[in-house]
Amino acid sequence: SQKIEQNSEALNIQEGKTATLTCNYTNYSPAYLQWYRQDPGRGPVFLLLIRENEKEKRKERLKVTFDTTLKQSLFHITASQPADSATYLCALAQSPNTGTASKLTFGTGTRLQVTL
Amino acid sequence: GAVVSQHPSRVICKSGTSVKIECRSLDFQATTMFWYRQFPKQSLMLMATSNEGSKATYEQGVEKDKFLINHASLTLSTLTVTSAHPEDSSFYICSAKGLTYEQYFGPGTRLTVT
Repeated sequence: SQKIEQNSEALNIQEGKTATLTCNYTNYSPAYLQWYRQDPGRGPVFLLLIRENEKEKRKERLKVTFDTTLKQSLFHITASQPADSATYLCALAQSPNTGTASKLTFGTGTRLQVTL
Repeated sequence: GAVVSQHPSRVICKSGTSVKIECRSLDFQATTMFWYRQFPKQSLMLMATSNEGSKATYEQGVEKDKFLINHASLTLSTLTVTSAHPEDSSFYICSAKGLTYEQYFGPGTRLTVT
């Protein structure tokens, strides 16, 4: 059966450290993968998208890697801050065609807590 | 980034009544809009996909006669929960997608059916 798993339900790290979140999938052939941030009672906020033929993407303090052999994506937040505390979701899409609807399937999420 | 709005943000209704939720893409044209439902401490579950001017495609197990979706224009989609019951209480979130891969989400609507 198809499954998307995010490494842990919760991750606690100290301010200034790098947070690394994992997204593993089975029985998918994703065309691309997206990472979102969700705060309590709010909709997800788009962070980064990485395509199947890309190994790494960066945006400011964020970095995403995508290994289709390992069937895994890693999401890194460097120099983490208490304001980064939130739930982070990975989502896979299988359709490669931007002209058609591409359904996203979400992982269970990892709740990140950055402490002082 | 692209902005998607939802209205209302919270609604409380009595069992048996219908509720309409609006989703608007404010600064881009959304060729496709998606509706999700999220229960506490769970991830988002896709309910349906709608393309402008055509009928929505519902996910398995989602009753199309109960959750009516209309995508009348490239910037507006509505979800109507008909004859709502307490088990329909949930957090409903829409997303919109233009011609690129990214999906942008609205802030969500908290529905409570009493």
